[in-house]
Amino acid sequence: DTGVSQDPRHKITKRGQNVTFRCDPISEHNRLYWYRQTLGQGPEFLTYFQNEAQLEKSRLLSDRFSAERPKGSFSTLEIQRTEQGDSAMYLCASSLAPSVGLGEYFGPGTRLTVT
Amino acid sequence: DAKTTQPPSMDCAEGRAANLPCNHSTISGNEYVYWYRQIHSQGPQYIIHGLKNNETNEMASLIITEDRKSSTLILPHATLRDTAVYYCIVNISPGANSKLTFGKGITLSVRP
Repeated sequence: DTGVSQDPRHKITKRGQNVTFRCDPISEHNRLYWYRQTLGQGPEFLTYFQNEAQLEKSRLLSDRFSAERPKGSFSTLEIQRTEQGDSAMYLCASSLAPSVGLGEYFGPGTRLTVT
Repeated sequence: DAKTTQPPSMDCAEGRAANLPCNHSTISGNEYVYWYRQIHSQGPQYIIHGLKNNETNEMASLIITEDRKSSTLILPHATLRDTAVYYCIVNISPGANSKLTFGKGITLSVRP
């Protein structure tokens, strides 16, 4: 069990640029979640997938954000025309559902800094 | 919005039990209490969850009051590595279509 991995771990970009993050969930997990966390706050839900279907999106996910999970395995989160307010830690989590509930397993996150 | 309230911080001495409180007075009958923790610069880590019975695993114990309006996470022998932000989360049953709603959590500082 290699856990949830995310790439890159850190990204610095200039305002207006596009960025893409990747998440590889635990292999047998069918659910994949994206969260965003700013300094001093708990993680905030952005969106989640069950297999390749995107089942829910938060209102935080503006039209500049898009997430995909094309084959029900890894996922990508793209932010277009980045803004300074997008600076945050982007966390990915996965889980197996339905399950007897060991919760969601989180990756280490991608820290985005928009200058 | 988070459905739980936690004090912002607490500390305890290494080797002693750390008792972390959480209030969830509006919890519904089908909602579980989950605890996660987040060590600095890492992703959150699942600790334990429960519905109404007390639960124990290798990491911690969870004590839920009979009316289910509050709970306590107990780390029986805190170590310096337990210094982290601990989140108490109310969530519908495991496996249901649900995401986690985090509050600000409680920062536990374990002192030598």
